[in-house]
Amino acid sequence: DIVMTQTPLSLSVTPGQPASISCKSSQSLLHSDGKTYLYWYLQKPGQPPQLLIYEVSNRFSGVPDGFSGSGSGTDFTLKISRVDAEDVGVYYCMQSLQLPYTFGQGTKLEIK
Amino acid sequence: EVQLLESGGGLVQPGGSLRLSCAASGLTFSNSGMSWVRQAPGQGLEWVSAISDGAGDTYYADSVKGRFTISRDNSNNTLYLLMNSLKAEDTAIYYCARPARGVWGQGTMVTVSS
Repeated sequence: DIVMTQTPLSLSVTPGQPASISCKSSQSLLHSDGKTYLYWYLQKPGQPPQLLIYEVSNRFSGVPDGFSGSGSGTDFTLKISRVDAEDVGVYYCMQSLQLPYTFGQGTKLEIK
Repeated sequence: EVQLLESGGGLVQPGGSLRLSCAASGLTFSNSGMSWVRQAPGQGLEWVSAISDGAGDTYYADSVKGRFTISRDNSNNTLYLLMNSLKAEDTAIYYCARPARGVWGQGTMVTVSS
């Protein structure tokens, strides 16, 4: 199974400041079709996860442009340009290169 | 708008069985691979099972293999998860989802306890 490792596991950010979360996979997520199957999710309290970024760097429909994803191979980063109260929750990275799909442990973002 | 609506959760004793259902709308269900993903209380996300669009292929996490069975009824746009020999560690919210498409239901809670 592909192991997904996120850092940090918690983050406390002042409103208006940027935030960054790292995700490393135990093997490359690059498929032979040229796509890299790495996703970023945000789960707000009491809600199902909501997709933010698909295939490393593509914002999902309706996601504000303050969210951005980057990386390649086994190293990936989610950045929030300016954190606000709406961004509170747990962020997960996920790979769908192969089954079983696997998730990172989650990074809990709180506002200072 | 794509909607997935899970049902069938509840309280069950260890060793018991439960069948979850997921009614899908707003998508071409018969062309959609589907998954179940669970989340134990206060824990992270765990993929449980997946089924191909035509139901010819099914996949399971090691933690549920031999106990859970995923199936689908394309004529009624419904996904199922039959859970047998339930254990306390199966207690979780179970989500019906297409994780790589950003489609998730609201989840149904399964509690395994005596």
